[in-house]
Amino acid sequence: DQQVKQNSPSLSVQEGRISILNCDYTNSMFDYFLWYKKYPAEGPTFLISISSIKDKNEDGRFTVFLNKSAKHLSLHIVPSQPGDSAVYFCAASPSGNTGKLIFGQGTTLQVKP
Amino acid sequence: DAMVIQNPRYQVTQFGKPVTLSCSQTLNHNVMYWYQQKSSQAPKLLFHYYDKDFNNEADTPDNFQSRRPNTSFCFLDIRSPGLGDAAMYLCATSRLTGEQFFGPGTRLTVL
Repeated sequence: DQQVKQNSPSLSVQEGRISILNCDYTNSMFDYFLWYKKYPAEGPTFLISISSIKDKNEDGRFTVFLNKSAKHLSLHIVPSQPGDSAVYFCAASPSGNTGKLIFGQGTTLQVKP
Repeated sequence: DAMVIQNPRYQVTQFGKPVTLSCSQTLNHNVMYWYQQKSSQAPKLLFHYYDKDFNNEADTPDNFQSRRPNTSFCFLDIRSPGLGDAAMYLCATSRLTGEQFFGPGTRLTVL
């Protein structure tokens, strides 16, 4: 049973527009959420995180929103750039656990020039 | 640059022939992880070490073993690889909490 789901396998966006990547989770014990970006032939790279005590965290062009009641988080990229084209993984960490992460399946983002 | 290194990047083995994948880190992190990722699927945690304490996931097959001889190195041993074990194997490190830092992965092919 998949506890972290990214229901959109792919997303295509025009350069300069907003990219919104979505993630749903089922376990209310998750208290820390992360987004990773992965280019081909490389390992995932940490992008941004959010604790369950917050509902928004911003870092430059990247903003993560957390809606605990809906068990939903999203990553907004504004403005999108061609270099943002990659696979984006959402991950969640159970409370009290030493760093263990549960990953979603990933969403492939393509930003068109 | 501090980093996580995985060797080899590509490994081909035969069905049933043991194989070892290696991971090293210069970040001096306490925790090291091994993930298996199959095509278009989520990375799946196999096990992790907190220092020398080994933590196996309940659904990790016995065919997979791991060793961490020191802080910097961690090995994944697949005792009898099957066709279903072909995947990308990712090593990651972290402090006790916070984000994990990943290596580039080893792509395992089983013939």
